Amino acid sequence: DQQVKQNSPSLSVQEGRISILNCDYTNSMFDYFLWYKKYPAEGPTFLISISSIKDKNEDGRFTVFLNKSAKHLSLHIVPSQPGDSAVYFCAASAAGTASKLTFGTGTRLQVTL
Amino acid sequence: DGGITQSPKYLFRKEGQNVTLSCEQNLNHDAMYWYRQDPGQGLRLIYYSQIVNDFQKGDIAEGYSVSREKKESFPLTVTSAQKNPTAFYLCASRGTSGYYNEQFFGPGTRLTVL
Repeated sequence: DQQVKQNSPSLSVQEGRISILNCDYTNSMFDYFLWYKKYPAEGPTFLISISSIKDKNEDGRFTVFLNKSAKHLSLHIVPSQPGDSAVYFCAASAAGTASKLTFGTGTRLQVTL
Repeated sequence: DGGITQSPKYLFRKEGQNVTLSCEQNLNHDAMYWYRQDPGQGLRLIYYSQIVNDFQKGDIAEGYSVSREKKESFPLTVTSAQKNPTAFYLCASRGTSGYYNEQFFGPGTRLTVL
């Protein structure tokens, strides 16, 4: 029972273009969503988050959109840079659960020159 | 320089041996977590602790044990009862000052059981 799904295992984008990474969830109790970036053999690095009271949060080149009715969120990276090449994980937590995170399986982003 | 340290980076053990993975943080965070990552999968929660001397099982606690005797430390023991212990183990911590707080992760320990 996968409560957080990232259906695209990989994505290739040209440098300077927009990268859009998608994430779907099934648990309607989730109220906080996060995106992490991960390089091989390293720990994930927090990128950006959004609470369920918002539908958009922006931080520099990164923007996260939340569509609660569709149980869908997306991460936009504009413009994409070669250093953005990594695996991106979507994660979610529900109120009252000690902020336990449920992770998706990740999307590998490759930004090409 | 605040952060989370995990040691060692790589660990090899023979089948049937218990092994303890270290996790230390100097971020003054109350909550700490252990996750496991397998190839092609997301991170799965093993154990978590919200306060010293208290911890709870996560989604895949069987074959693992933890202790939380100090705020800074949350060691994980992989016992011989864990059927597939070879994996990448990640420790995380989280502050509890606000309602929403992200988790910060350590660099991970790659455990290989031979």
